Amino acid sequence: DAGVTQSPTHLIKTRGQQVTLRCSPKSGHDTVSWYQQALGQGPQFIFQYYEEEERQRGNFPDRFSGHQFPNYSSELNVNALLLGDSALYLCASSLAGGLDTQYFGPGTRLTVL
Amino acid sequence: QKEVEQNSGPLSVPEGAIASLNCTYSDRGSQSFFWYRQYSGKSPELIMFIYSNGDKEDGRFTAQLNKASQYVSLLIRDSQPSDSATYLCAVKQSTDKLIFGTGTRLQVFP
Repeated sequence: DAGVTQSPTHLIKTRGQQVTLRCSPKSGHDTVSWYQQALGQGPQFIFQYYEEEERQRGNFPDRFSGHQFPNYSSELNVNALLLGDSALYLCASSLAGGLDTQYFGPGTRLTVL
Repeated sequence: QKEVEQNSGPLSVPEGAIASLNCTYSDRGSQSFFWYRQYSGKSPELIMFIYSNGDKEDGRFTAQLNKASQYVSLLIRDSQPSDSATYLCAVKQSTDKLIFGTGTRLQVFP
């Protein structure tokens, strides 16, 4: 039973660039949530996708956007990168209508120089 | 007031002791509560979830929920050095958003 997978593992970008992170949910899950975790902080909710639509959104600017594909996989896009965007980006999958227990992928470490 | 509050620690306990981790939340309509363990440089790993008032036990772990006091706790019995990690409390609010605390760092020393 495949768990949540994310790619790439690490990424280095410069300010102003754009980045795309990818996530495949756990087998049988249909909902994907994205989180940003800065060093020493808890994960901060960015948004959640279900049925290819953004269902919920946290307090993140429009530079953060996403997409969900028919196979439930998802992408997180960040435009005009800032130094403060350096963080661990976590994807979590869950089953809508269930207990909403979220399982995390290994994360993508983004460094913005 | 933060939506989910945890003492950042570190909480230091000797091997074999009981570690008690606490969490308070502000949204009275919150529906479900989760504890995750996160080792340094790794992603969070689900330990337990609880929905109803009272205690829920799973092996060495016991989650306790008191909705009237808006308080959740995690007890770890017979603590081991391998339990040393950051423990994240997460609360599913009435808005359906899952909100995390900043985590409590636990150190178990031999």
